[in-house]
Amino acid sequence: NAGVTQTPKFQVLKTGQSMTLQCAQDMNHEYMSWYRQDPGMGLRLIHYSVGAGITDQGEVPNGYNVSRSTTEDFPLRLLSAAPSQTSVYFCASRLLTGELFFGEGSRLTVL
Amino acid sequence: SQQGEEDPQALSIQEGENATMNCSYKTSINNLQWYRQNSGRGLVHLILIRSNEREKHSGRLRVTLDTSKKSSSLLITASRAADTASYFCATVPLNTGGFKTIFGAGTRLFVKA
Repeated sequence: NAGVTQTPKFQVLKTGQSMTLQCAQDMNHEYMSWYRQDPGMGLRLIHYSVGAGITDQGEVPNGYNVSRSTTEDFPLRLLSAAPSQTSVYFCASRLLTGELFFGEGSRLTVL
Repeated sequence: SQQGEEDPQALSIQEGENATMNCSYKTSINNLQWYRQNSGRGLVHLILIRSNEREKHSGRLRVTLDTSKKSSSLLITASRAADTASYFCATVPLNTGGFKTIFGAGTRLFVKA
């Protein structure tokens, strides 16, 4: 049972480059979300989706785009990477009761 | 600003001792959850307590919730070296429609063998 799968695990970008962090889940959860984790800051919600075709902003959405064309996939796009986006990114899906299931994270460095 | 704040930021105990972590939050909630994160890994859900519950147990974990004080505590009894991890509380504020799970900054627990 794969759960939530994130790719890539590590990525180094130069300022201004674009990239997409991939997230897939096989639990048929309607709700998916993206968080970033910075030292001493805990996890901050970037974007979330309550189902295919429906997305909304979290606490720190600026600089990130998302789309949800299928129940399984929820990619996170950085259109023009900035050093402030250096972080560990976590994707999660959620049960209706509220429990989140996390991927193993994608570690992004922007030079 | 973050919804949840954990206290202490770090905790070091001996194996066999109990570990208590506290969480305070700002607005009315639907539920409160606790997660564990081992170094370099994703978060793992431990326990969920609803706003109408006051106490919940799961194995060696005991969670309390005081909605009047907007606070919760996580007690790990008879701690083991394998309990070494960061622990986060997370809340689902009522004013977000139940769609946003907001995390605190976490407590780093170190259990010495």
